[in-house]
Amino acid sequence: DVKVTQSSRYLVKRTGEKVFLECVQDMDHENMFWYRQDPGLGLRLIYFSYDVKMKEKGDIPEGYSVSREKKERFSLILESASTNQTSMYLCASTRDPSYNEQFFGPGTRLTVL
Amino acid sequence: QKEVEQNSGPLSVPEGAIASLNCTYSDRVSQSFFWYRQYSGKSPELIMSIYSNGDKEDGRFTAQLNKASQYVSLLIRDSQPSDSATYLCAVNYDYKLSFGAGTTVTVRA
Repeated sequence: DVKVTQSSRYLVKRTGEKVFLECVQDMDHENMFWYRQDPGLGLRLIYFSYDVKMKEKGDIPEGYSVSREKKERFSLILESASTNQTSMYLCASTRDPSYNEQFFGPGTRLTVL
Repeated sequence: QKEVEQNSGPLSVPEGAIASLNCTYSDRVSQSFFWYRQYSGKSPELIMSIYSNGDKEDGRFTAQLNKASQYVSLLIRDSQPSDSATYLCAVNYDYKLSFGAGTTVTVRA
Protein backbone atom coordinates (compact mmCIF):
# COMPACT_ATOMS: atom_id res chain seq x y z
CA ASP A 1 0.00 0.00 0.00
CA VAL A 2 1.11 3.52 -0.75
CA LYS A 3 1.80 5.44 2.38
CA VAL A 4 1.85 9.23 2.35
CA THR A 5 2.39 10.89 5.70
CA GLN A 6 2.21 14.53 6.72
CA SER A 7 4.03 16.03 9.66
CA SER A 8 1.03 17.36 11.58
CA ARG A 9 -2.72 16.76 11.58
CA TYR A 10 -3.47 20.11 13.22
CA LEU A 11 -1.36 23.24 13.38
CA VAL A 12 -2.03 26.68 14.81
CA LYS A 13 0.26 29.56 13.85
CA ARG A 14 0.27 33.31 14.16
CA THR A 15 0.17 35.84 11.34
CA GLY A 16 3.65 36.51 9.99
CA GLU A 17 5.19 33.23 11.15
CA LYS A 18 7.11 31.03 8.75
CA VAL A 19 5.37 27.66 8.49
CA PHE A 20 6.76 24.37 7.25
CA LEU A 21 4.48 21.52 6.21
CA GLU A 22 6.23 18.26 5.48
CA CYS A 23 5.11 15.33 3.38
CA VAL A 24 6.83 11.95 3.05
CA GLN A 25 5.93 9.03 0.78
CA ASP A 26 7.37 5.56 1.00
CA MET A 27 6.62 4.21 -2.49
CA ASP A 28 9.54 5.72 -4.41
CA HIS A 29 7.18 8.01 -6.34
CA GLU A 30 8.89 10.72 -8.30
CA ASN A 31 5.83 12.96 -8.51
CA MET A 32 4.44 14.86 -5.55
CA PHE A 33 1.78 17.52 -5.16
CA TRP A 34 0.52 20.06 -2.64
CA TYR A 35 -3.14 21.12 -2.57
CA ARG A 36 -5.31 23.18 -0.33
CA GLN A 37 -8.99 22.46 0.18
CA ASP A 38 -11.51 25.07 1.22
CA PRO A 39 -15.31 24.86 1.50
CA GLY A 40 -16.93 26.00 -1.73
CA LEU A 41 -13.59 26.20 -3.55
CA GLY A 42 -12.70 22.54 -3.73
CA LEU A 43 -9.19 21.19 -4.15
CA ARG A 44 -6.69 23.61 -5.63
CA LEU A 45 -3.15 22.81 -6.71
CA ILE A 46 -0.44 24.93 -5.10
CA TYR A 47 2.81 23.36 -6.31
CA PHE A 48 4.03 20.09 -7.69
CA SER A 49 7.32 18.36 -8.32
CA TYR A 50 8.36 15.74 -10.83
CA ASP A 51 11.83 15.11 -9.50
CA VAL A 52 14.27 16.02 -6.79
CA LYS A 53 15.05 19.74 -6.75
CA MET A 54 12.43 20.32 -9.40
CA LYS A 55 9.24 22.32 -8.79
CA GLU A 56 6.39 23.69 -10.83
CA LYS A 57 3.75 26.24 -9.89
CA GLY A 58 0.20 25.09 -9.71
CA ASP A 59 -2.91 27.24 -9.86
CA ILE A 60 -2.43 29.20 -6.62
CA PRO A 61 1.30 29.45 -5.78
CA GLU A 62 1.23 32.99 -4.36
CA GLY A 63 2.41 33.13 -0.76
CA TYR A 64 3.91 29.64 -0.87
CA SER A 65 7.18 28.00 -1.78
CA VAL A 66 8.32 24.38 -1.82
CA SER A 67 11.42 22.31 -1.31
CA ARG A 68 12.27 18.86 -2.66
CA GLU A 69 15.73 17.86 -1.49
CA LYS A 70 15.04 14.13 -1.37
CA LYS A 71 12.80 12.00 -3.54
CA GLU A 72 10.55 10.91 -0.70
CA ARG A 73 10.05 14.32 0.91
CA PHE A 74 8.20 17.39 -0.37
CA SER A 75 7.85 20.42 1.87
CA LEU A 76 5.44 23.32 1.59
CA ILE A 77 6.58 26.62 3.08
CA LEU A 78 4.44 29.58 4.00
CA GLU A 79 6.98 32.38 4.13
CA SER A 80 4.80 34.73 6.18
CA ALA A 81 1.54 33.14 7.20
CA SER A 82 -1.66 35.10 6.74
CA THR A 83 -5.20 34.44 7.94
CA ASN A 84 -6.36 33.67 4.39
CA GLN A 85 -4.00 30.69 4.40
CA THR A 86 -6.11 28.98 7.03
CA SER A 87 -7.08 25.79 5.25
CA MET A 88 -6.74 22.03 4.93
CA TYR A 89 -3.45 21.22 3.21
CA LEU A 90 -3.17 17.93 1.36
CA CYS A 91 -0.11 16.23 -0.06
CA ALA A 92 -0.34 13.57 -2.77
CA SER A 93 2.01 11.44 -4.82
CA THR A 94 1.89 9.35 -7.98
CA ARG A 95 4.25 7.00 -9.75
CA ASP A 96 3.26 7.84 -13.31
CA PRO A 97 2.07 11.37 -14.18
CA SER A 98 0.70 10.21 -17.54
CA TYR A 99 -1.99 8.27 -15.65
CA ASN A 100 -1.71 10.40 -12.52
CA GLU A 101 -3.34 8.06 -10.03
CA GLN A 102 -2.68 10.15 -6.93
CA PHE A 103 -2.64 8.98 -3.33
CA PHE A 104 -3.23 11.49 -0.58
CA GLY A 105 -1.79 11.95 2.85
CA PRO A 106 -4.07 12.51 5.88
CA GLY A 107 -3.94 16.29 5.55
CA THR A 108 -2.89 19.15 7.83
CA ARG A 109 -5.56 21.48 9.14
CA LEU A 110 -3.73 24.82 9.50
CA THR A 111 -5.22 27.70 11.41
CA VAL A 112 -3.51 31.10 11.18
CA LEU A 113 -4.55 33.52 13.92
CA GLN B 1 -7.69 25.00 -15.21
CA LYS B 2 -9.95 22.61 -17.06
CA GLU B 3 -13.56 22.27 -15.96
CA VAL B 4 -14.94 19.27 -14.15
CA GLU B 5 -18.61 19.44 -13.24
CA GLN B 6 -20.44 17.12 -10.88
CA ASN B 7 -24.12 16.83 -10.09
CA SER B 8 -24.53 19.21 -7.23
CA GLY B 9 -26.29 17.06 -4.66
CA PRO B 10 -26.66 16.46 -1.88
CA LEU B 11 -27.88 13.03 -2.77
CA SER B 12 -29.92 11.07 -0.26
CA VAL B 13 -30.58 7.40 -0.89
CA PRO B 14 -32.13 4.66 1.24
CA GLU B 15 -29.95 1.84 2.45
CA GLY B 16 -29.71 -0.88 -0.16
CA ALA B 17 -30.49 1.41 -3.10
CA ILE B 18 -28.23 2.47 -5.95
CA ALA B 19 -26.53 5.85 -5.73
CA SER B 20 -25.69 7.39 -9.10
CA LEU B 21 -23.11 10.15 -9.41
CA ASN B 22 -22.26 11.97 -12.62
CA CYS B 23 -19.33 14.01 -13.81
CA THR B 24 -18.66 15.87 -17.05
CA TYR B 25 -15.37 17.31 -18.21
CA SER B 26 -14.37 19.88 -20.79
CA ASP B 27 -11.20 18.58 -22.45
CA ARG B 28 -11.42 15.76 -24.98
CA VAL B 29 -7.76 14.78 -24.71
CA SER B 30 -8.00 13.52 -21.12
CA GLN B 31 -7.19 9.85 -20.80
CA SER B 32 -7.49 9.02 -17.11
CA PHE B 33 -10.34 9.55 -14.68
CA PHE B 34 -10.74 8.93 -10.99
CA TRP B 35 -13.30 8.81 -8.22
CA TYR B 36 -12.28 9.70 -4.69
CA ARG B 37 -14.29 9.27 -1.52
CA GLN B 38 -13.83 11.83 1.24
CA TYR B 39 -15.28 11.46 4.70
CA SER B 40 -15.87 14.63 6.67
CA GLY B 41 -12.59 15.95 8.08
CA LYS B 42 -10.52 13.31 6.27
CA SER B 43 -8.43 13.30 3.10
CA PRO B 44 -9.61 11.96 -0.28
CA GLU B 45 -9.30 8.21 -0.75
CA LEU B 46 -8.99 6.77 -4.25
CA ILE B 47 -11.77 4.27 -4.91
CA MET B 48 -11.87 3.93 -8.71
CA SER B 49 -9.63 4.62 -11.68
CA ILE B 50 -10.87 4.26 -15.26
CA TYR B 51 -9.00 4.79 -18.51
CA SER B 52 -11.09 3.13 -21.26
CA ASN B 53 -14.62 3.58 -22.48
CA GLY B 54 -17.14 1.29 -20.86
CA ASP B 55 -17.73 -0.02 -17.38
CA LYS B 56 -15.31 -1.00 -14.65
CA GLU B 57 -16.57 -2.81 -11.60
CA ASP B 58 -14.93 -3.14 -8.20
CA GLY B 59 -17.09 -4.66 -5.52
CA ARG B 60 -20.19 -2.52 -5.09
CA PHE B 61 -18.73 0.30 -7.19
CA THR B 62 -19.05 0.64 -10.96
CA ALA B 63 -17.40 3.41 -12.92
CA GLN B 64 -18.63 4.21 -16.42
CA LEU B 65 -16.70 6.24 -18.96
CA ASN B 66 -17.93 7.72 -22.23
CA LYS B 67 -15.19 9.78 -23.84
CA ALA B 68 -17.32 10.80 -26.83
CA SER B 69 -19.87 12.41 -24.51
CA GLN B 70 -17.18 13.49 -22.04
CA TYR B 71 -18.75 12.06 -18.95
CA VAL B 72 -17.81 9.64 -16.26
CA SER B 73 -20.16 8.23 -13.67
CA LEU B 74 -20.02 6.21 -10.48
CA LEU B 75 -22.68 3.79 -9.34
CA ILE B 76 -22.76 2.56 -5.76
CA ARG B 77 -24.89 -0.57 -5.49
CA ASP B 78 -26.47 -1.79 -2.26
CA SER B 79 -25.63 1.53 -0.58
CA GLN B 80 -24.59 1.30 3.06
CA PRO B 81 -24.49 3.98 5.77
CA SER B 82 -20.68 3.76 5.55
CA ASP B 83 -20.94 5.07 1.98
CA SER B 84 -22.12 8.43 3.34
CA ALA B 85 -19.36 10.78 2.18
CA THR B 86 -18.45 13.33 -0.44
CA TYR B 87 -17.39 11.84 -3.77
CA LEU B 88 -14.91 13.75 -5.90
CA CYS B 89 -14.48 13.25 -9.62
CA ALA B 90 -10.96 13.94 -10.92
CA VAL B 91 -9.69 14.20 -14.48
CA ASN B 92 -6.08 14.13 -15.59
CA TYR B 93 -5.19 17.16 -17.70
CA ASP B 94 -1.62 17.70 -18.77
CA TYR B 95 -0.21 15.67 -15.86
CA LYS B 96 -2.34 17.53 -13.32
CA LEU B 97 -5.63 16.51 -11.78
CA SER B 98 -8.63 18.78 -11.97
CA PHE B 99 -11.27 18.03 -9.37
CA GLY B 100 -14.98 18.55 -9.35
CA ALA B 101 -16.63 20.25 -6.41
CA GLY B 102 -17.89 16.93 -5.10
CA THR B 103 -21.26 15.33 -4.51
CA THR B 104 -22.28 14.60 -0.94
CA VAL B 105 -24.09 11.31 -0.52
CA THR B 106 -26.15 10.43 2.53
CA VAL B 107 -27.37 6.87 2.92
CA ARG B 108 -30.34 6.74 5.25
CA ALA B 109 -31.10 3.62 7.20
